[in-house]
Amino acid sequence: SQQGEEDPQALSIQEGENATMNCSYKTSINNLQWYRQNSGRGLVHLILIRSNEREKHSGRLRVTLDTSKKSSSLLITASRAADTASYFCATVEGSGNTPLVFGKGTRLSVIA
Amino acid sequence: NAGVTQTPKFQVLKTGQSMTLQCAQDMNHEYMSWYRQDPGMGLRLIHYSVGAGITDQGEVPNGYNVSRSTTEDFPLRLLSAAPSQTSVYFCASSYGYSYYGYTFGSGTRLTVV
Repeated sequence: SQQGEEDPQALSIQEGENATMNCSYKTSINNLQWYRQNSGRGLVHLILIRSNEREKHSGRLRVTLDTSKKSSSLLITASRAADTASYFCATVEGSGNTPLVFGKGTRLSVIA
Repeated sequence: NAGVTQTPKFQVLKTGQSMTLQCAQDMNHEYMSWYRQDPGMGLRLIHYSVGAGITDQGEVPNGYNVSRSTTEDFPLRLLSAAPSQTSVYFCASSYGYSYYGYTFGSGTRLTVV
């Protein structure tokens, strides 16, 4: 069953603005990962944050994790039209010896 | 370095036909998995393998078989295709199934009529 739930389901912003997507999950996790999927393509791994970490950065991406609220957020700063894609959070539950479970995704549209 | 290669990219089957979706990776990854992606449903795990000779069921395994005879290959077999199996299928691999990011193939779009 699906663990993560992204919010919002769809987001439309202007180029140059920041985009924030949220992910909530139900059970304890070992780590949480974010992926990007361009239309008609496979998923691309963006970032992994472990349960004992609170924040990670990668280029224009910033991920936060709040295990007390069972939530994570993905911030994309200074968005570009090329950032238009669907973004998925995925979790590894419990001790970690389980496969990734994906949410349903947020569809981001960046308008030039 | 090809990564994860899926074939075919598109396939149309008639109800009741069988077929095999191929997945190969050249990264020496121990872990491989198959997901299906349906509109509004995200990705759901079908089967996975933590190494050659070891497979296990995911969330939606019915109607699918897998085997892992080599580290590189992880084919997915549809035994008797049904319209409910119309979907986009993704193969993914990783060094391990929990602590590393997954590398995905480009997908197979399957239509069962």
